[in-house]
Amino acid sequence: EDKVVQSPLSLVVHEGDTVTLNCSYEVTNFRSLLWYKQEKKAPTFLFMLTSSGIEKKSGRLSSILDKKELFSILNITATQTGDSAIYLCAGITTSGTYKYIFGTGTRLKVLA
Amino acid sequence: SAVISQKPSRDICQRGTSLTIQCQVDSQVTMMFWYRQQPGQSLTLIATANQGSEATYESGFVIDKFPISRPNLTFSTLTVSNMSPEDSSIYLCSVPRAGDTQYFGPGTRLTVL
Repeated sequence: EDKVVQSPLSLVVHEGDTVTLNCSYEVTNFRSLLWYKQEKKAPTFLFMLTSSGIEKKSGRLSSILDKKELFSILNITATQTGDSAIYLCAGITTSGTYKYIFGTGTRLKVLA
Repeated sequence: SAVISQKPSRDICQRGTSLTIQCQVDSQVTMMFWYRQQPGQSLTLIATANQGSEATYESGFVIDKFPISRPNLTFSTLTVSNMSPEDSSIYLCSVPRAGDTQYFGPGTRLTVL
């Protein structure tokens, strides 16, 4: 069965800290991995990773994929209170139909 | 990015009733997805709505409980039928965009008493 596991489940840090969020996946016919940020209801897209070892970067956020070890990390440097959210990763499988398999998310809280 | 709207944004319903959630996209799309996110849980795909054909339901979800309509390429509805408190969730529609990305609507927060 396809599954995506994220760790830690929750995290509390102070502004300015650096955090690393983990995502491991077992997805048949894996196509790519995506990271989303969910603050209220709708997840917003952060990164899409398809190739191993190529870092994607956007401001203070960066992410990388390791297709050999089947995991990805999301780094956030110099955290701000506005980074408080649930961070979701999803593996895309093309077994049968194109489908997202979501992890349970990491709930990040950044304290001022 | 796509502009997606959902109605209602939230509702509180009595058990045994039904609620229809609407999803409107600002451009034509072949596929629309409906997800459920129960409290403290991740997103689970309910079904894929294709225009001109029956929706494709994931394991554990059935048409009688979650009927879906897809009358055109910009609109879809999901009905949550005969609701129970276990149906209390956030319901999200999404559409595929560039590459493998999906854009999500603002969601509907449903509480069933």
